[in-house]
Amino acid sequence: EPEVTQTPSHQVTQMGQEVILRCVPISNHLYFYWYRQILGQKVEFLVSFYNNEISEKSEIFDDQFSVERPDGSNFTLKIRSTKLEDSAMYFCASRADRWGDYNEQFFGPGTRLTVL
Amino acid sequence: GNSVTQMEGPVTLSEEAFLTINCTYTATGYPSLFWYVQYPGEGLQLLLKATKADDKGSNKGFEATYRKETTSFHLEKGSVQVSDSAVYFCALSGSTGGGNKLTFGTGTQLKVEL
Repeated sequence: EPEVTQTPSHQVTQMGQEVILRCVPISNHLYFYWYRQILGQKVEFLVSFYNNEISEKSEIFDDQFSVERPDGSNFTLKIRSTKLEDSAMYFCASRADRWGDYNEQFFGPGTRLTVL
Repeated sequence: GNSVTQMEGPVTLSEEAFLTINCTYTATGYPSLFWYVQYPGEGLQLLLKATKADDKGSNKGFEATYRKETTSFHLEKGSVQVSDSAVYFCALSGSTGGGNKLTFGTGTQLKVEL
């Protein structure tokens, strides 16, 4: 069964450093997402991406964040200068079709980011 | 904006007990509703979904009915097992931006004991 994969599973970085979190969505999917979950809190939407551009982003997704689909298979989330409060589990998700809420978002296993 | 409210956890039950986890929502338009489950150390898995009013989603003995009149989507299971111990998230899909982002509730931790 196809699945969303994410690397690395755990990333430790120093405050102020840049990190890139990588995701490989399911191959025929068209819509891509990043969510994050701070330990013990709810899952929060960061950004959605379609047709090589951001379709929606949350207030969390400020200028320090960017997303890219560099090669048609990978989908990356970059944080330019990490802060302590960026420590969280980051989930990538993908969906088959733009239209129709009934289409399921498939989630990856997550990358745990720890900022020291 | 859209929001989801779930009952506070943790919920601790004995095996074979009946489970209800309450979920209510606020949304514009006609969202789809979902329950996701997160087992310890793992990511989110879709448990069940409902796309329109009065639909019942079901999977692995879990059920939830989309109630538009009460804006609710309560999760139920008649007889829980220890293996059902996990965090359960209610979510809705829908956004004006066309991205159909998911809005999650805070999650309810379920612990099932022998």
